[in-house]
Amino acid sequence: DGGITQSPKYLFRKEGQNVTLSCEQNLNHDAMYWYRQDPGQGLRLIYYSQIVNDFQKGDIAEGYSVSREKKESFPLTVTSAQKNPTAFYLCASSTDRNNQPQHFGDGTRLSIL
Amino acid sequence: GQNIDQPTEMTATEGAIVQINCTYQTSGFNGLFWYQQHAGEAPTFLSYNVLDGLEEKGRFSSFLSRSKGYSYLLLKELQMKDSASYLCAVNSGYSTLTFGKGTMLLVSP
Repeated sequence: DGGITQSPKYLFRKEGQNVTLSCEQNLNHDAMYWYRQDPGQGLRLIYYSQIVNDFQKGDIAEGYSVSREKKESFPLTVTSAQKNPTAFYLCASSTDRNNQPQHFGDGTRLSIL
Repeated sequence: GQNIDQPTEMTATEGAIVQINCTYQTSGFNGLFWYQQHAGEAPTFLSYNVLDGLEEKGRFSSFLSRSKGYSYLLLKELQMKDSASYLCAVNSGYSTLTFGKGTMLLVSP
């Protein structure tokens, strides 16, 4: 079954700690995306990557970092510089053609201890 | 800048028809997507419009008017399972989507 897998489903972070959210896809998609979703805010783009070893900042990249060493994987690190990290994080992928929809993982809910 | 507006909440009755509107002002336009999202779950793709007119897919239809910067999602024969958030998203031509804040639809018996 092809799809996008995010892990873990729930994650807790202590103050001053970096945490990494995993996103893996076996859809052979070139493009991958990270979004943050807060209540009443919709989805906001953090980072995206259209090809291996390349990525661009989205609208709210501050306090986050990513890597794209393999086509299948696009991990997101929430650094200690992100002062309000509590949110629902969604990873998506697509074929990077404008008329193709993005496919989403089931999300990771991050909370502060 | 990019701006996408949707109503925050709507309510409807089982079996009825509901129309969810979306207006957009973006620097470019390369298509509009509608997604459904149940609470705590992943958004799932519903429809895509790039040309003016109506696209029909079973109980769901989506309409686009590019000159007016306007789209709507029409849901017919509403079922309880249609209670969800509906997200409008525009591809403005930069390989990314800009999402509206979503419309929470509550279907009552």
